[in-house]
Amino acid sequence: QSALTQPASVSGSPGQSITISCTGTSSDVGGYDYVSWYQQHPGKAPKLMIYDVSNRPSGVSNRLSGSKSGNTASLTISGLQAEDEADYYCSSYTSSTTLAFGGGTKVTVL
Amino acid sequence: EVQLLESGGGSVQPGGSLRLSCAASGFTFNNYAMSWVRQAPGKGLEWVSAISGSGGSAYYADSVKGRFTISRDNSKNTLYLQMNSLRAEDTAMFYCAKATFLRVVPATDAFDIWGQGTMVTVSS
Repeated sequence: QSALTQPASVSGSPGQSITISCTGTSSDVGGYDYVSWYQQHPGKAPKLMIYDVSNRPSGVSNRLSGSKSGNTASLTISGLQAEDEADYYCSSYTSSTTLAFGGGTKVTVL
Repeated sequence: EVQLLESGGGSVQPGGSLRLSCAASGFTFNNYAMSWVRQAPGKGLEWVSAISGSGGSAYYADSVKGRFTISRDNSKNTLYLQMNSLRAEDTAMFYCAKATFLRVVPATDAFDIWGQGTMVTVSS
């Protein structure tokens, strides 16, 4: 079971938009619309931000949006704020009925 | 309030065993699949195992298959992870996580509630 591929780090200035990619294969990201995104601040448990590719749970800012094209899913954060600085992980259902996580992306607000 | 509270972590020698528990409250426990997710120090998240709401179906990552066993006691609202033949590479914070929806296959679901984690250290 291979991890999904994410960039190690992404940065942006306050107010800018950033996009984090999550690349898998046709056996995971590309094959199913079961991609989720989690935010994790240091020393804290992860928090669900996006499920089923593009859906936001209640209470999550509409500055976050998710999408997918082929084997790559993406999380976009618009109007970047200091509170967005955290690690972000994607996950996807796989054809083995397991779950794969991405390696994580550290988002820095400059 | 919906809450998950893990316990049972600690230090163990390679080859040893440990049982983690996750006490759930604030929701109808037996309706939801549950999972264990771990995170090695300074590393990313790794899905470990999942179990259906009834406990009748269990799923494992290849890295723990044959060594770890997930189970649940719906009468006690508690999830378990029995870990045997522990290795140094199992050292991690272990989180239990609740499925968001009532899906048949747990791995298709997202995790809307997470515990704070319990640390497992495998070292001689």
